[in-house]
Amino acid sequence: NAGVTQTPKFQVLKTGQSMTLQCAQDMNHEYMSWYRQDPGMGLRLIHYSVGAGITDQGEVPNGYNVSRSTTEDFPLRLLSAAPSQTSVYFCASRRQGSADTQYFGPGTRLTVL
Amino acid sequence: AQTVTQSQPEMSVQEAETVTLSCTYDTSESDYYLFWYKQPPSRQMILVIRQEAYKQQNATENRFSVNFQKAAKSFSLKISDSQLGDAAMYFCAYRRVFTGNQFYFGTGTSLTVIP
Repeated sequence: NAGVTQTPKFQVLKTGQSMTLQCAQDMNHEYMSWYRQDPGMGLRLIHYSVGAGITDQGEVPNGYNVSRSTTEDFPLRLLSAAPSQTSVYFCASRRQGSADTQYFGPGTRLTVL
Repeated sequence: AQTVTQSQPEMSVQEAETVTLSCTYDTSESDYYLFWYKQPPSRQMILVIRQEAYKQQNATENRFSVNFQKAAKSFSLKISDSQLGDAAMYFCAYRRVFTGNQFYFGTGTSLTVIP
């Protein structure tokens, strides 16, 4: 198993540009999530999904869109990038069982100029 | 929203010694999960240990153990026989049992291991 994969690893955008961060998992996990990590603030939940076709907002959803058309993929879209979205983004997944471990991808470092 | 507090931004420990990282959390739930994650410079998030709130026994994983004080809402991580490879950021995290997938993380503790 490749686990949770994220592309790209690094990205630089200009203010106002849009882009999609890709996330895929090959463990048939029902639950997937996107987090952002900023210095001194830990990880904060952006959006999450409990299954294909079902998504919900986390703590900091503004400026981001998600969709979940398949179990494997959970892309995160930045509609109009802003410098405040400069961060490291992590995707994570886990099985539906309540005690199950959450697995993280390697992260994407995004810089918005 | 739930809050998780790590009051030690940085800690250091001599190699082979023991160190304890602190974490407190705020919740009105009676059943939940608590986690410690390790993030080395590679940025990969690695699960260190997990505790179910309904279990009174403290979780242990090799050199890692927790001191779970439910009434005090405290969840500290003890690392015994510290090794150079333990140097990393450590994050405490909380998740309710009956929720989609909402984890709440603390701000992290940076652990330095001194040879």
